[in-house]
Amino acid sequence: DAGVTQSPTHLIKTRGQQVTLRCSPKSGHDTVSWYQQALGQGPQFIFQYYEEEERQRGNFPDRFSGHQFPNYSSELNVNALLLGDSALYLCASSPDRGQNYGYTFGSGTRLTVV
Amino acid sequence: GESVGLHLPTLSVQEGDNSIINCAYSNSASDYFIWYKQESGKGPQFIIDIRSNMDKRQGQRVTVLLNKTVKHLSLQIAATQPGDSAVYFCAESPSGGYQKVTFGTGTKLQVIP
Repeated sequence: DAGVTQSPTHLIKTRGQQVTLRCSPKSGHDTVSWYQQALGQGPQFIFQYYEEEERQRGNFPDRFSGHQFPNYSSELNVNALLLGDSALYLCASSPDRGQNYGYTFGSGTRLTVV
Repeated sequence: GESVGLHLPTLSVQEGDNSIINCAYSNSASDYFIWYKQESGKGPQFIIDIRSNMDKRQGQRVTVLLNKTVKHLSLQIAATQPGDSAVYFCAESPSGGYQKVTFGTGTKLQVIP
């Protein structure tokens, strides 16, 4: 049973460019959350998708947007990249049962903005 | 506002000893607490969780203690092994059914052989 799969694993972009990161949730999970983890810091919540809609959002600008597809996979898009966007981007999936359950995280996409 | 912080950024323990990692939280509405382990190059891995209506929960070699009075959470690892070396995060989620999880900064556990 595959866990959470993220692609690509590493990415280098130039300031001002746009990037799309992808996530396939664990089998049986229908909720996808995205996190940004700067070096030496804890993951910061970006947003969560359920039933193809953004259900909750953290303190991130509109440059960060996402999408969830009918098969529950998800994309994170970041426009007008800044140097400060360099981080590990983590996708986490969970089953939505109206309760809080531990996420299953992917290994992340390491984004470097130069 | 919401914040989850850790008392110590780095903890070194001898192999075989018990480890205790502490965490403070500030959100009184927090209902659900989780400990994650993150190894280098990997995403956080769920270790153990506890709800606010409990003060202790045990897993395999791990115990989580919750003191709601002082808003303190701890993770105890028994007979620490080299494979336990990692960064440990406490995290919290408020009540309400949503699954937004707020992470702390992390504590690096170094196991000395």
